[in-house]
Amino acid sequence: AQKVTQAQTEISVVEKEDVTLDCVYETRDTTYYLFWYKQPPSGELVFLIRRNSFDEQNEISGRYSWNFQKSTSSFNFTITASQVVDSAVYFCALCLSGSARQLTFGSGTQLTVLP
Amino acid sequence: EAGVAQSPRYKIIEKRQSVAFWCNPISGHATLYWYQQILGQGPKLLIQFQNNGVVDDSQLPKDRFSAERLKGVDSTLKIQPAKLEDSAVYLCASSQLKGSLKTQYFGPGTRLLVL
Repeated sequence: AQKVTQAQTEISVVEKEDVTLDCVYETRDTTYYLFWYKQPPSGELVFLIRRNSFDEQNEISGRYSWNFQKSTSSFNFTITASQVVDSAVYFCALCLSGSARQLTFGSGTQLTVLP
Repeated sequence: EAGVAQSPRYKIIEKRQSVAFWCNPISGHATLYWYQQILGQGPKLLIQFQNNGVVDDSQLPKDRFSAERLKGVDSTLKIQPAKLEDSAVYLCASSQLKGSLKTQYFGPGTRLLVL
């Protein structure tokens, strides 16, 4: 069975600081997909990124960057120069290949960016 | 492109009453998911539809929960009778069917409070 662990329950930073959200996953499958979603107070889950298990290249999108390391089963998310609008709960999720394609979510990290 | 629509946004009921939630997925998305998100936790899949057929309902409490997607578009999730522990946010998501794994896009959710 697959599992996603987000050990950081809550993180608080001051605006303009960099912050990294950790995600560790477990699966026996060799083909899988990893996701990050953002959940602002409004409640909607906003898709941020998808990465497949064969692509270990790190990705940068504006102030966001992701570090995928299969050797440590980690898929960490860094926000550079954080802003108050980044305050939200961030979820890491794992999806196996196959017909079902269910998302297994971590428990989320509440990020608070203080002005 | 319109996103996933859900209604109502909020619902308060007393235990043992029944309640129904509605979801309209993104146009053209054949796969529809219902998730339950209890406060402080990540979303948990309840049921997955592909067109109007059920792909996975292994985590749906079938003694009280039911869902349908009659014409392969809109879906309804029902709880009858509700229990206190059903208080949660119910999220609907949709994704495309064809091609490689497609990202799930989420609606704003329905917040249910059972008193």
